[in-house]
Amino acid sequence: AQSVTQLDSHVSVSEGTPVLLRCNYSSSYSPSLFWYVQHPNKGLQLLLKYTSAATLVKGINGFEAEFKKSETSFHLTKPSAHMSDAAEYFCVVSDPAGTYKYIFGTGTRLKVLA
Amino acid sequence: DAMVIQNPRYQVTQFGKPVTLSCSQTLNHNVMYWYQQKSSQAPKLLFHYYDKDFNNEADTPDNFQSRRPNTSFCFLDIRSPGLGDAAMYLCATSGTSVGEQFFGPGTRLTVL
Repeated sequence: AQSVTQLDSHVSVSEGTPVLLRCNYSSSYSPSLFWYVQHPNKGLQLLLKYTSAATLVKGINGFEAEFKKSETSFHLTKPSAHMSDAAEYFCVVSDPAGTYKYIFGTGTRLKVLA
Repeated sequence: DAMVIQNPRYQVTQFGKPVTLSCSQTLNHNVMYWYQQKSSQAPKLLFHYYDKDFNNEADTPDNFQSRRPNTSFCFLDIRSPGLGDAAMYLCATSGTSVGEQFFGPGTRLTVL
């Protein structure tokens, strides 16, 4: 069965410093992986996705993630945090093709300090 | 722009009074989803449709039902809302390939 573990429930960084949000997955096949961001009282917005093409994926707003099969990881990074990055981030893995379902991590709340 | 629309954005209902939330999409996606999200938690899948094929999660309460009259629209009916049903309800869509989901802005439900 597929699963996703977000290793940190809360991360605090200072504005202008790097961001690292960690995600490990478990999958019996080659998965599709996604990072979504959710600002308060809003829906989820896709940041980036991995679907078996390039292992280093670039997304919106300067975010990127690297798929590492040997480590079963898909960590999200950004070189320099901005105040507007403060939000909840979800790592998501696709369930096997045919179920059309997605497995969510528990989320990481990113706080950006001035 | 192609999108997922949810109405209303905020809904207040009374304990036990039926309520319907609506979702529409202009993406022409086959799959539509309803999620419940409580504060500081991940979205929890309630059910999803592949075209007209309805798929209910095993732990979705019987109080929750859904209708999908056509490709574009999907409704969530809560027959007798309890205080524990107060949450954000998110509608999402996806195409037939294993690509990303597209989310609507959500409906915040308050139960008095």
